[in-house]
Amino acid sequence: IAGITQAPTSQILAAGRRMTLRCTQDMRHNAMYWYRQDLGLGLRLIHYSNTAGTTGKGEVPDGYSVSRANTDDFPLTLASAVPSQTSVYFCASSDSPGLAADTQYFGPGTRLTVL
Amino acid sequence: GQNIDQPTEMTATEGAIVQINCTYQTSGFNGLFWYQQHAGEAPTFLSYNVLDGLEEKGRFSSFLSRSKGYSYLLLKELQMKDSASYLCAAMDSNYQLIWGAGTKLIIKP
Repeated sequence: IAGITQAPTSQILAAGRRMTLRCTQDMRHNAMYWYRQDLGLGLRLIHYSNTAGTTGKGEVPDGYSVSRANTDDFPLTLASAVPSQTSVYFCASSDSPGLAADTQYFGPGTRLTVL
Repeated sequence: GQNIDQPTEMTATEGAIVQINCTYQTSGFNGLFWYQQHAGEAPTFLSYNVLDGLEEKGRFSSFLSRSKGYSYLLLKELQMKDSASYLCAAMDSNYQLIWGAGTKLIIKP
């Protein structure tokens, strides 16, 4: 089934640990995105990539890093997790970044708890 | 700054009609998106408006007024499965989406 997969589904992590959230899409979309969603707040963009080999910072990039070695994969790494990074993380992809009507499609999310 | 406002929560009755409003302020504007998000699930795309007016898609319609910085999502013949959060997002001049916090819609029998 075409779409976006994320792993793990959920994770409890000790503060200070390193963690990589995985995201893979099979739609051959050019752009990929990482968002966090917290109660009472809108989706906030962490990092994005408009094409393989390039990445950019979103609204809340501090404490996170990404890489885009190929079209399909866009992992998000927390180098040293802190409790404020407890959130639901969504990966998304879109075909035509930089064009209006470019629709983003979302993965199922990763629920991360940092203790 | 950039900002999206929408009501936090709304309640409606099964079979009725509900209108969810959204106002936006962005640096430039390249369209307005509505997404539906059921509890514990991913957001899914509902509609996109870039021109003024009403776009109808089955039981769901979306309206845009660019001069007023205003949009609404209209849901007709409400069903229990429409209980979800509805997210409004405006695309700014850099083609980035600015998201509202979402409106939780509760449908009562």
